[in-house]
Amino acid sequence: QVQLQESGPGLVKPSETLSLTCSVSGASISSYYWSWIRQPAGKGLEWTGRMYIRGSTNYNPSLRSRITMSVDTSKNQFSLKLTSVTAADTAVYYCVRQDSSGYGFDYWGQGILVTVSS
Amino acid sequence: SYELTQPPSVSVSPGQTASITCSGDKLGDNYACWYQQKPGQSPVLVIYQDNKRPSGIPERFSGSTSGNTATLTISGTQAMDEADYYCQAWDSSTVVFGGGTKLTVL
Repeated sequence: QVQLQESGPGLVKPSETLSLTCSVSGASISSYYWSWIRQPAGKGLEWTGRMYIRGSTNYNPSLRSRITMSVDTSKNQFSLKLTSVTAADTAVYYCVRQDSSGYGFDYWGQGILVTVSS
Repeated sequence: SYELTQPPSVSVSPGQTASITCSGDKLGDNYACWYQQKPGQSPVLVIYQDNKRPSGIPERFSGSTSGNTATLTISGTQAMDEADYYCQAWDSSTVVFGGGTKLTVL
């Protein structure tokens, strides 16, 4: 059974860096693309970007200047860093696996609420 | 930027068929996926590659496309199907989601 678990601070100050980690069990992080998708309260889903073990990354153009994703194969984890955050970055952040068809996201973490506030 | 347009809300009576549309200029060239999200829960993939159902998704969920519009159809809608539904597609190497449709089962 594939499971994803987000972890990180639930509160980040404006202008600082948001850092989240996703721990993956039941699947090798080397075998799939992995993404972060966020959802502000009461709003829709927004894809932030994806990464693959061989260093390939794709980011949402609206976040490209502030976002970095990376992987730690020894821990079967991947991470998100978002710099210079504002209140607009407040959201539930989900880590997700891109399915083997390459088109959808078949496994989601439970989500972690990150609030940007002083 | 590429956009996917969904109706904000759809209502259906129990046992009837619900149809949720998703329109986008490039949908004719790209596969659509659909997700169901219930309050307080993570989204669940219900349709991928336009019309394929993941394991465990009931047969009453189906997907289709025509031109630049993808449609999620729920046959014999049940109360448990009341949820928000999102379409999703790829634009080159980036992902776009529709704004979501709240399905109400009256």
